[in-house]
Amino acid sequence: AQSVAQPEDQVNVAEGNPLTVKCTYSVSGNPYLFWYVQYPNRGLQFLLKYITGDNLVKGSYGFEAEFNKSQTSFHLKKPSALVSDSALYFCAVRDSSDRGSTLGRLYFGRGTQLTVWP
Amino acid sequence: AAGVIQSPRHLIKEKRETATLKCYPIPRHDTVYWYQQGPGQDPQFLISFYEKMQSDKGSIPDRFSAQQFSDYHSELNMSSLELGDSALYFCASSQTGQGGYGYTFGSGTRLTVV
Repeated sequence: AQSVAQPEDQVNVAEGNPLTVKCTYSVSGNPYLFWYVQYPNRGLQFLLKYITGDNLVKGSYGFEAEFNKSQTSFHLKKPSALVSDSALYFCAVRDSSDRGSTLGRLYFGRGTQLTVWP
Repeated sequence: AAGVIQSPRHLIKEKRETATLKCYPIPRHDTVYWYQQGPGQDPQFLISFYEKMQSDKGSIPDRFSAQQFSDYHSELNMSSLELGDSALYFCASSQTGQGGYGYTFGSGTRLTVV
């Protein structure tokens, strides 16, 4: 069964320091991986995705993530954190063995609350 | 650019009442997904529609039903509401084919059952 694990409920980092939000996954086939950010009382905003190709994916707001097949991980990173990055981050996976659009639900991790302090 | 529109943004209902949530996908997106996010929880998949037909079903209670209409908008109908139904309900849409692995989420409808 497909699943996503975000081992850290909270990540705290000082502004200007690099940040990492961890994500590991489990799928039957090849994974399609996503990161979303959620601000309080707001919807899920897309950050980046990995479908195929280069293992290092660059996304919005200076975020990037590295797909590591052997470790089944897709950690979110940013070289220099901003206070405005403070939010709830969700990793999600879709199994590529889903055919077309008849399936395609995303499985989410439980989320990691990122706090960047000045 | 057009986004996924959900209405209403907020809804307060009493126990045992009925609620209807609406979702308007991005134009030309052919698939709609509904998710439920309880307080402090991750989003849980409820149901999806592809070309107006139910395509997948998750942990949706029997008290809930949904459909997608000819204009591709979708409605989630919730009856006999319970306190535990209080949550943020997200709709997402996607398009199959080229670039079809992106999902765009709406801002959600916050349902409070009192």
